[in-house]
Amino acid sequence: KAGVTQTPRYLIKTRGQQVTLSCSPISGHRSVSWYQQTPGQGLQFLFEYFSETQRNKGNFPGRFSGRQFSNSRSEMNVSTLELGDSALYLCASSLDQVGNTIYFGEGSWLTVV
Amino acid sequence: AQSVTQLGSHVSVSEGALVLLRCNYSSSVPPYLFWYVQYPNQGLQLLLKYTSAATLVKGINGFEAEFKKSETSFHLTKPSAHMSDAAEYFCAVRADSGNTPLVFGKGTRLSVIA
Repeated sequence: KAGVTQTPRYLIKTRGQQVTLSCSPISGHRSVSWYQQTPGQGLQFLFEYFSETQRNKGNFPGRFSGRQFSNSRSEMNVSTLELGDSALYLCASSLDQVGNTIYFGEGSWLTVV
Repeated sequence: AQSVTQLGSHVSVSEGALVLLRCNYSSSVPPYLFWYVQYPNQGLQLLLKYTSAATLVKGINGFEAEFKKSETSFHLTKPSAHMSDAAEYFCAVRADSGNTPLVFGKGTRLSVIA
């Protein structure tokens, strides 16, 4: 079956702009989470959604937001982009139970110039 | 709160040598533990996971890890390194309580020398 699909894979934005990243989870998975990966900070948790509700949120400013749709697809938005937002944004999906494997997509590479 | 410490940001081994990547965790409740691998310009791929069924966990590509509660460790090993094992490896923990996120270590870059 298809894995976690993220679009777009690569994008370049200018400071001050906003960006929306999309994620389609594995079929049947209702939990979607987002991570930011940078060389300096590693993998940092952004937020997790389950059945259209935000279940967990990491320590990121309010410029970072997300949502989940009834079909479990998810989007994350970053407004007023800063240079430091340049990163690989990874989406992951899983079944509901906490011990279930979390599967990752290939990521969206965001460069802010 | 959970946390993960990976000792050594970079490990270099010769082809055919033992691979040992260290991971120590902190969790106030029984944890689920994972090892992921990331190849250049790719997402994370699950190598193996510990879910309390057995302390020695076998994963893909010949990797295995042993859960040691007394040492709060979950080190990753492979008897014989292959050139294709060169990648970034991440240890992660998730508490078996409530809805807590997966928390990652900083990662260890493995280089394999011919």
